[in-house]
Amino acid sequence: SQQGEEDPQALSIQEGENATMNCSYKTSINNLQWYRQNSGRGLVHLILIRSNEREKHSGRLRVTLDTSKKSSSLLITASRAADTASYFCATDLTGTASKLTFGTGTRLQVTL
Amino acid sequence: GAVVSQHPSRVICKSGTSVKIECRSLDFQATTMFWYRQFPKKSLMLMATSNEGSKATYEQGVEKDKFLINHASLTLSTLTVTSAHPEDSSFYICSARGLTSGSVYEQYFGPGTRLTVT
Repeated sequence: SQQGEEDPQALSIQEGENATMNCSYKTSINNLQWYRQNSGRGLVHLILIRSNEREKHSGRLRVTLDTSKKSSSLLITASRAADTASYFCATDLTGTASKLTFGTGTRLQVTL
Repeated sequence: GAVVSQHPSRVICKSGTSVKIECRSLDFQATTMFWYRQFPKKSLMLMATSNEGSKATYEQGVEKDKFLINHASLTLSTLTVTSAHPEDSSFYICSARGLTSGSVYEQYFGPGTRLTVT
């Protein structure tokens, strides 16, 4: 079963709006990572947040991590049509030699 | 950033034949490579982990005799789908982890290989 469950499964917003995606996981992690995937393509690494960090920023991306709730969120501000893609969280679980376990993904559609 | 390539990007084969997919780390040495499978509009499922020079570790439910993985060098891993069936049709993605200029925690993903078995 998937370690990470993401919601929403699909999100449709207009350009300029903010998009928030959430990820929940079940067991202890070393770090949590967010990836982006355009349709039929490979994954692009967006941001990594370590278990001892609570918030991280990268450009228009903001990631939070709440280890007490075992959840993370990805916020994309001022979205653009080019942000249309699927977004996955991936957890690096403690004691798994850095294997990543991927969440179910959120399909984001940004319309003009 | 580190670059991982996959070849071929697309392959169509007949049922019963075998298909080999290559995964290469182009500008770093990958001590560990991972193979994933992804069904349409679904998440990535880890199939196996391979360390250079040793046998791959397969995830539960993945047939090691059907999905042969070789990691003979620090820059190349191959996945061979043997006696392919239509249900093996999927998107196969590799990733590589090793000593790069970036964070040691990151994996770098290849662009994927679309396999269609007719």
